[in-house]
Amino acid sequence: SAVISQKPSRDICQRGTSLTIQCQVDSQVTMMFWYRQQPGQSLTLIATANQGSEATYESGFVIDKFPISRPNLTFSTLTVSNMSPEDSSIYLCSVDGLAGSGEQYFGPGTRLTVT
Amino acid sequence: DQQVKQNSPSLSVQEGRISILNCDYTNSMFDYFLWYKKYPAEGPTFLISISSIKDKNEDGRFTVFLNKSAKHLSLHIVPSQPGDSAVYFCAAQLNTDKLIFGTGTRLQVFP
Repeated sequence: SAVISQKPSRDICQRGTSLTIQCQVDSQVTMMFWYRQQPGQSLTLIATANQGSEATYESGFVIDKFPISRPNLTFSTLTVSNMSPEDSSIYLCSVDGLAGSGEQYFGPGTRLTVT
Repeated sequence: DQQVKQNSPSLSVQEGRISILNCDYTNSMFDYFLWYKKYPAEGPTFLISISSIKDKNEDGRFTVFLNKSAKHLSLHIVPSQPGDSAVYFCAAQLNTDKLIFGTGTRLQVFP
């Protein structure tokens, strides 16, 4: 299984500012995923990031608000831009597990609070 | 439109008894169904999965049942242990990558 770390683990930010979340994997992976879990809600996929190409965003999420970088096969960043209190969530990155199993491995998450 | 639903937000079970967590879905095109366990301040941990072409998968104390005609799956934990206390998410996979999650069920196993 892959070991995934995220930085920061938590942060408190002021509205109007931006925060970049880092995701590091201990092995090379093709696809990385970014999820959001708002308070009391399920995990929602924000975008899929493949190395060397533009991220693919899900309905309701746009690149200007959540720019993503994927400079190599072990690292990705998600930026939450121009934050508002509604962006207060846990942000998680994940990678695929065994081929054909449906399994994904998740990082520990970044708890973001916007005041 | 919630494609994966967990209608019970919480469940309380005595240690040693069976825990049954339920999940309903609407899209018959899902390829895999998965269960994840999540402790506070940690990311979800994969527990068990089942292919859409099967109706049962067992791994130790954990068994997942899939009823395609009812679009329903359940996770059975036998026997339940205090360490099983966590939030359990049902998820469904579409197009070999995207996971769609339910809202979770908080399981508490008491002595």
